[in-house]
Amino acid sequence: AQSVTQLDSQVPVFEEAPVELRCNYSSSVSVYLFWYVQYPNQGLQLLLKYLSGSTLVKGINGFEAEFNKSQTSFHLRKPSVHISDTAEYFCAVSENNAGNMLTFGGGTRLMVKP
Amino acid sequence: NAGVTQTPKFQVLKTGQSMTLQCAQDMNHEYMSWYRQDPGMGLRLIHYSVGAGITDQGEVPNGYNVSRSTTEDFPLRLLSAAPSQTSVYFCASSYSMARGTEAFFGQGTRLTVV
Repeated sequence: AQSVTQLDSQVPVFEEAPVELRCNYSSSVSVYLFWYVQYPNQGLQLLLKYLSGSTLVKGINGFEAEFNKSQTSFHLRKPSVHISDTAEYFCAVSENNAGNMLTFGGGTRLMVKP
Repeated sequence: NAGVTQTPKFQVLKTGQSMTLQCAQDMNHEYMSWYRQDPGMGLRLIHYSVGAGITDQGEVPNGYNVSRSTTEDFPLRLLSAAPSQTSVYFCASSYSMARGTEAFFGQGTRLTVV
């Protein structure tokens, strides 16, 4: 069975600083990987996804993530954050035999301070 | 362009009461699902549907019923609410069950059971 671990429940960072949100997964089969963002009082929206090909994936709002198969990680990065990036970020996986069903990590709350 | 619409946004129930959380999508998506979101646990799949008339259980189905009589609607029923069902509930839809298809989420229903 697959599982997703987001190592940090909260990440405080100052505006214009770089940030990395960590995600590790465990699965015995090939996976697709996703990052979703949830702004306050809103639903989740897709930031980016890795299906195959290049391990560096670029998403919306300047975010990118790198798939590392040997370390089973899919960390999310942004070189310079804005106040508007304050939100909760969820890493998710779908396994080869699970269709489009997603398993989510516990979430990381990014708090950008002025 | 409404996307995925959930009603109500907030609800307080007494233990033992029943209610239905409504979910409707206007994108003609085949696949719909219900998740619950609890602090530190991310989103967990309750039930899902791959098309009208077809539903199946997810990770945490106990205490919840669903039906899918039309492509657009996927209501979630709590027959006898319990305090353990206090949570934020999200409905999601996607074009297909194929892996990697983007899921679109509603804004959520915050349910408190007292």
